[in-house]
Amino acid sequence: EPEVTQTPSHQVTQMGQEVILRCVPISNHLYFYWYRQILGQKVEFLVSFYNNEISEKSEIFDDQFSVERPDGSNFTLKIRSTKLEDSAMYFCASSPRTGLGTFFGQGTRLTVV
Amino acid sequence: GEDVEQSLFLSVREGDSSVINCTYTDSSSTYLYWYKQEPGAGLQLLTYIFSNMDMKQDQRLTVLLNKKDKHLSLRIADTQTGDSAIYFCAERGSGGSNYKLTFGKGTLLTVNP
Repeated sequence: EPEVTQTPSHQVTQMGQEVILRCVPISNHLYFYWYRQILGQKVEFLVSFYNNEISEKSEIFDDQFSVERPDGSNFTLKIRSTKLEDSAMYFCASSPRTGLGTFFGQGTRLTVV
Repeated sequence: GEDVEQSLFLSVREGDSSVINCTYTDSSSTYLYWYKQEPGAGLQLLTYIFSNMDMKQDQRLTVLLNKKDKHLSLRIADTQTGDSAIYFCAERGSGGSNYKLTFGKGTLLTVNP
């Protein structure tokens, strides 16, 4: 069964460092997303990406964040200068053309120290 | 803005039915979803219901939607210990170029043998 895959599963980084979280969405999907979940809190929307551009972003997604789809399969989230409060589980997700069903990866746990 | 509320905890005995409730505020929601998250894992799409339906059944899962009251429930029949997890309700807006989801805080279901 097709699935969204994310790497790495866990990343530890020092405050101020740049991190890139990687995702391979389901191959025939057209909509791509990043969400995050701070420990014990809600899953929060960060950004959606369609037709090679950002279609919506939340207020969390400030200038420190960027997304890219560098080739036909990968979808990345970059955090330029990490802060302690960026520590969270980051989920990549994708939806098919119909938008019916959003499928999530296993997540990358980011720990900023 | 959109908001989704769920009760935080539910405890049942193995073999009983579980009912997890959710309320949402966005009257333009088109689809409502239920996701399951086991410890340390990603979000598994369990089922969804289109906003013009009242009920959807899928094996042991029954989803009921009261659109007038903006109330959604997930019933799990014959609950098993493997059903112990956090269950998230999520609503999807009307789309366009984006099918972002708004999640509730999740209901921790504990199934006691």
